Amino acid sequence: QKEVEQNSGPLSVPEGAIASLNCTYSDRGSQSFFWYRQYSGKSPELIMSIYSNGDKEDGRFTAQLNKASQYVSLLIRDSQPSDSATYLCAVNLSRGYNFNKFYFGSGTKLNVKP
Amino acid sequence: GAVVSQHPSRVICKSGTSVKIECRSLDFQATTMFWYRQFPKQSLMLMATSNEGSKATYEQGVEKDKFLINHASLTLSTLTVTSAHPEDSSFYICSARDGGHEQYFGPGTRLTVT
Repeated sequence: QKEVEQNSGPLSVPEGAIASLNCTYSDRGSQSFFWYRQYSGKSPELIMSIYSNGDKEDGRFTAQLNKASQYVSLLIRDSQPSDSATYLCAVNLSRGYNFNKFYFGSGTKLNVKP
Repeated sequence: GAVVSQHPSRVICKSGTSVKIECRSLDFQATTMFWYRQFPKQSLMLMATSNEGSKATYEQGVEKDKFLINHASLTLSTLTVTSAHPEDSSFYICSARDGGHEQYFGPGTRLTVT
């Protein structure tokens, strides 16, 4: 079982719709959760971090964390063609020996159609 | 804030030669730096983790004698690919964290070995 699982997609949504990206993780001790956006041929860019259960909003982006279900999601409201990219979920145990151990999902490719 | 640079952005070298890639944190001190490799249409693969002044910790299957990592200061880490071969052609990306929870990526270096 992979530490972080994501549906590879592609997820296609029309412009203006809400895109919902999901991620599950295996280690219940995980403390920190991140969403990165990666455009083709470019390096990942941090767009959201979340550390406690619930929702965290930043502009058009909302990250949702449910530690009981070991589930983290990213909602993109009013999706734009420029949001078309691969979204990577990352998880960090954030303590002790594992402070520097990040696990990345394989990414979900999002296509926003004009 | 949290800007990480890499140099060079692209490099082409001949088989058997060595290539050095630099990773710098421009506006923060990076207690930890990471080196990743990404092949086309594949996910990020962590190669090694380095802390300033310490030996790098390599992931299983990564040859430490082939991929030399030096983290000589809190703002600079280097990756040297020794005796490069065509199969080493890839997108190499560094990232850094400042002791906080988040990890910031450099723009990447595309290596082509002919």
